[in-house]
Amino acid sequence: NAGVTQTPKFQVLKTGQSMTLQCAQDMNHEYMSWYRQDPGMGLRLIHYSVGAGITDQGEVPNGYNVSRSTTEDFPLRLLSAAPSQTSVYFCASSRNRDRGHQPQHFGDGTRLSIL
Amino acid sequence: KQEVTQIPAALSVPEGENLVLNCSFTDSAIYNLQWFRQDPGKGLTSLLLIQSSQREQTSGRLNASLDKSSGRSTLYIAASQPGDSATYLCAVGSGGYQKVTFGTGTKLQVIP
Repeated sequence: NAGVTQTPKFQVLKTGQSMTLQCAQDMNHEYMSWYRQDPGMGLRLIHYSVGAGITDQGEVPNGYNVSRSTTEDFPLRLLSAAPSQTSVYFCASSRNRDRGHQPQHFGDGTRLSIL
Repeated sequence: KQEVTQIPAALSVPEGENLVLNCSFTDSAIYNLQWFRQDPGKGLTSLLLIQSSQREQTSGRLNASLDKSSGRSTLYIAASQPGDSATYLCAVGSGGYQKVTFGTGTKLQVIP
């Protein structure tokens, strides 16, 4: 099993550009989520999904969109990139959708810089 | 709102020492707590998961304990090795639907 796969691993954007961060899992997990990790702030939840066709906002959703058309894929879209979105983005998945959503399995991250 | 704190932020120890990493949380009504390891430039690797009904979990040289009433968890690493050098994060599952709260981590350096 590949687990959770994120692409790309690195990306540099200019302010105002749009892009999609890809996330795929092959474990048939119901729950998937996107976090951003910034120095001194820990991981913060952006959006999450409890299954295909169902998404909701996390702690810091502004500037990001998500969709979940299949169980396997959960892309994160930046519609108009801003320097404040410079961060490391992690996708995670877990089988347990009911309580605490752990254990979570993480991808290797996408390092995004907005100039 | 659940808040998770990890102290110290950084720790440096000589190889072979036993050490304890701390994680505290403000809301004791948790479902579970998970310890992760993060190597530089990498994702998070799950180390141990403790359910709310459990007191501790062990894996090799690692032992994690949970005291819900005091809002604390500890990760004990026995006979530390340079390969243990990494950032250790705890994450608490609690509160309303879908909520997992992360601490900011303890950066561990084990000196040969």
